[in-house]
Amino acid sequence: ILNVEQSPQSLHVQEGDSTNFTCSFPSSNFYALHWYRWETAKSPEALFVMTLNGDEKKKGRISATLNTKEGYSYLYIKGSQPEDSATYLCASNFGNEKLTFGTGTRLTIIP
Amino acid sequence: NAGVTQTPKFQVLKTGQSMTLQCAQDMNHEYMSWYRQDPGMGLRLIHYSVGAGITDQGEVPNGYNVSRSTTEDFPLRLLSAAPSQTSVYFCASSYSRTGGYTFGSGTRLTVV
Repeated sequence: ILNVEQSPQSLHVQEGDSTNFTCSFPSSNFYALHWYRWETAKSPEALFVMTLNGDEKKKGRISATLNTKEGYSYLYIKGSQPEDSATYLCASNFGNEKLTFGTGTRLTIIP
Repeated sequence: NAGVTQTPKFQVLKTGQSMTLQCAQDMNHEYMSWYRQDPGMGLRLIHYSVGAGITDQGEVPNGYNVSRSTTEDFPLRLLSAAPSQTSVYFCASSYSRTGGYTFGSGTRLTVV
């Protein structure tokens, strides 16, 4: 089983501060890297899918980068707001159709 | 568009009973997957399908069967329920391997 690792497991951030967290994955046989936001009592929602080394994606105050050679991706949130509180999941395909998820980073924004 | 629809939302089963969790999508997505979510373990892949008539095993397939007779439907069958199958089950679909997945609202299953 190929592992996708996320760190930290949880994070508390003051409202207005910026933050980032990490997703690590095996760089061999890489195909795509996904980021999802999962709010309490809801279902995961797709944020980004990246496939190329050096890819950068942005959606409002949230952005992500990808380094396939060293096997990591960063998710950045600028100027955190209470509505950003959620668990952020990353997942990777590893060259086949199976999408393997990490255990997530739980983000809490402190007003 | 309804997206991905899962039924039922909640279910209690007795050990040894069988049941089918239903999943349907109306987006004409070829890729469909079933995950289970357990505390501290994230989402684990049970079975997946890349099109009608094609299914394959994920990380934790034991005790579950799937079939994909149409593009829209991807039911998950529990053959003989065990307490270890108590979990929240999510169905998800995507138009391609590099497309983001759309998730259903989940089925919370308790096996007693």
